[in-house]
Amino acid sequence: NAGVTQTPKFQVLKTGQSMTLQCAQDMNHEYMSWYRQDPGMGLRLIHYSVGAGITDQGEVPNGYNVSRSTTEDFPLRLLSAAPSQTSVYFCATQGRGQGTGANVLTFGAGSRLTVL
Amino acid sequence: AQSVTQLGSHVSVSEGALVLLRCNYSSSVPPYLFWYVQYPNQGLQLLLKYTSAATLVKGINGFEAEFKKSETSFHLTKPSAHMSDAAEYFCAVSEAGGFKTIFGAGTRLFVKA
Repeated sequence: NAGVTQTPKFQVLKTGQSMTLQCAQDMNHEYMSWYRQDPGMGLRLIHYSVGAGITDQGEVPNGYNVSRSTTEDFPLRLLSAAPSQTSVYFCATQGRGQGTGANVLTFGAGSRLTVL
Repeated sequence: AQSVTQLGSHVSVSEGALVLLRCNYSSSVPPYLFWYVQYPNQGLQLLLKYTSAATLVKGINGFEAEFKKSETSFHLTKPSAHMSDAAEYFCAVSEAGGFKTIFGAGTRLFVKA
C-alpha cells in the first residue's frame, strides 16, 4: 500500500520554465491538497480539492494551477516558475472518516523545487 | 478565519528533561486541533489530535497535549525528552468535518545529550 506518492523528489528549474508536480494516492480519499513549506513559515495551503472535478484556492494560490480529473491524482502546475517558488511541496490527503480518522492528513514525502 | 501561533521557533532541552511546546489557536467554530511531527527529510506524521472528547489527549512516543478553551491553547508536553525526539513539530487547526487544515510556523526541538 503506497499511500501518497509524489514525483519528482527533486527538481531544478530556470525562471520562466513550467513544470508539473505529480501526486497520486491509493487510499480512495476524497480530499487532496498541496502545501508549500518554507523556513519559519510552516506549511501554507496552496490549493485543495474535495473530489474529482472540484478544486479551490488555499492561502497562497498565485502562480499555481491544479485540476482533479480522477480521485487518485492531483497534479500541481507551475506555468512560469519564479525564484519565490523555491520551496518544498507536500501533497496531502484526507478521508471522510469519523472518530479517530476524522480530519487527519496523510502526507507524501515531499518534492524539493529550486528555481534559479 | 482560523489561525495558529506557535511560540518559539526553536526549543532546546537536555535529554531526560521536560518538553513543552506552545500552541495558541484562533477559531470562530469549535476546532479540531492537531500536532504533527516532521523528522529530517521526511513528510509530516500525526502525533495526536483533539476532537472535542477528552481535553487531555495522549499521542505516540509519550507525548500528550491539553486543550484549554479559556486560554485558546493546545500545548504539547513530554515528561522526559529522548534524543530521538529531535524534530520539527507543527500545531494545526481545522473545523470539525471541514477540509482546510491551517498550520503554525513550526517549532524545532533540539535535544542535548
